[in-house]
Amino acid sequence: EPEVTQTPSHQVTQMGQEVILRCVPISNHLYFYWYRQILGQKVEFLVSFYNNEISEKSEIFDDQFSVERPDGSNFTLKIRSTKLEDSAMYFCASSEVSRTDTQYFGPGTRLTVL
Amino acid sequence: QKEVEQNSGPLSVPEGAIASLNCTYSDRGSQSFFWYRQYSGKSPELIMSIYSNGDKEDGRFTAQLNKASQYVSLLIRDSQPSDSATYLCAVNEAGAQKLVFGQGTRLTINP
Repeated sequence: EPEVTQTPSHQVTQMGQEVILRCVPISNHLYFYWYRQILGQKVEFLVSFYNNEISEKSEIFDDQFSVERPDGSNFTLKIRSTKLEDSAMYFCASSEVSRTDTQYFGPGTRLTVL
Repeated sequence: QKEVEQNSGPLSVPEGAIASLNCTYSDRGSQSFFWYRQYSGKSPELIMSIYSNGDKEDGRFTAQLNKASQYVSLLIRDSQPSDSATYLCAVNEAGAQKLVFGQGTRLTINP
């Protein structure tokens, strides 16, 4: 069964460093998302992406964050200058056709900012 | 701010019994509703989706939706120890391309 994949599974970085989290969505899906979950808290929406552009973003997704689809398969989340409070699990998700479709989640990347 | 509310639990149910999980949401225009299961340290895994009022059954799981009351529930029949997890209610925000999640209900099935 097709699934969303994410790399790396765990990323440790120093405060102020840039990180890039990578995702490969399910191949025939058209909508891509990033969510994050701080330990013990809710899953929070960051950004959605369709047709090579951001379609929606939350207030968390400030100028330090960016997303890109550099080729036909990868979808990346970049954090330019990490802060301690960026430590969280970051989940990539994808959905097939419409905005109401089921979103399938990848296994996540645990980001630890020291 | 659109909200999804769940009882955080923990909810403890004996093996073989029915577990009942509840969720309310604030966005009256929402059209799509989902239950995800999340094991500790893992990602959300889809259990059920529901779009219309009424019940939807899939194996041991039944989702129930009442849009007038803005209420979604999940019933798990014949609960197994492997069902022990946190269950996340998620609602697709009306007109938006994002899910709003509840805080999750931690369910423990006791052998």
